[in-house]
Amino acid sequence: TQLLEQSPQFLSIQEGENLTVYCNSSSVFSSLQWYRQEPGEGPVLLVTVVTGGEVKKLKRLTFQFGDARKDSSLHITAAQTGDTGLYLCAGASSWGKLQFGAGTQVVVTP
Amino acid sequence: EAEVAQSPRYKITEKSQAVAFWCDPISGHATLYWYRQILGQGPELLVQFQDESVVDDSQLPKDRFSAERLKGVDSTLKIQPAELGDSAMYLCASSLESGTVYEQYFGPGTRLTVT
Repeated sequence: TQLLEQSPQFLSIQEGENLTVYCNSSSVFSSLQWYRQEPGEGPVLLVTVVTGGEVKKLKRLTFQFGDARKDSSLHITAAQTGDTGLYLCAGASSWGKLQFGAGTQVVVTP
Repeated sequence: EAEVAQSPRYKITEKSQAVAFWCDPISGHATLYWYRQILGQGPELLVQFQDESVVDDSQLPKDRFSAERLKGVDSTLKIQPAELGDSAMYLCASSLESGTVYEQYFGPGTRLTVT
């Protein structure tokens, strides 16, 4: 059972467009992590957010953690084909245990 | 850059056979995790080790799955006997505690197909 809901499940956009994916839960997390996964590979850590209301930027990617530490969003500006992948959010509880969402599959076409 | 190593990358086995996966975490990472990821879903934790001790194996199907980390470094996950429903990606991750934050770093995974 996935306690983290990610939306949308699938997103197809053209290069240069912007996109936002969401991660929502009824649970409070001590921190939340975003990963990107390519086919046949393991997830790669993008960012960790810890403080409610925190905003982190990684080049064209902007991550926000909700004030109540229950939800998060990832915004990509001017998407590139290299941004294609499965974006996973994961909420951390005690002992570093992560609860993953089902992911948002992003496809960026030229 | 240090990475989590896993082998094999791909494994095809017949049902009822035994299969084993190996993981070598990033040096110095005390916590090691095994996950199973079914296509279209996020990873689900099977077992978590802190050094050589199991911290959480509540989701590990113990009738057929076993995991060990004898010296607190590398780890092996075994399935015996394999069933068709075990076909999935098996991921290993390791983390280094920094306060209350555990950032997990994943290996490339083992894609298991049970026929």
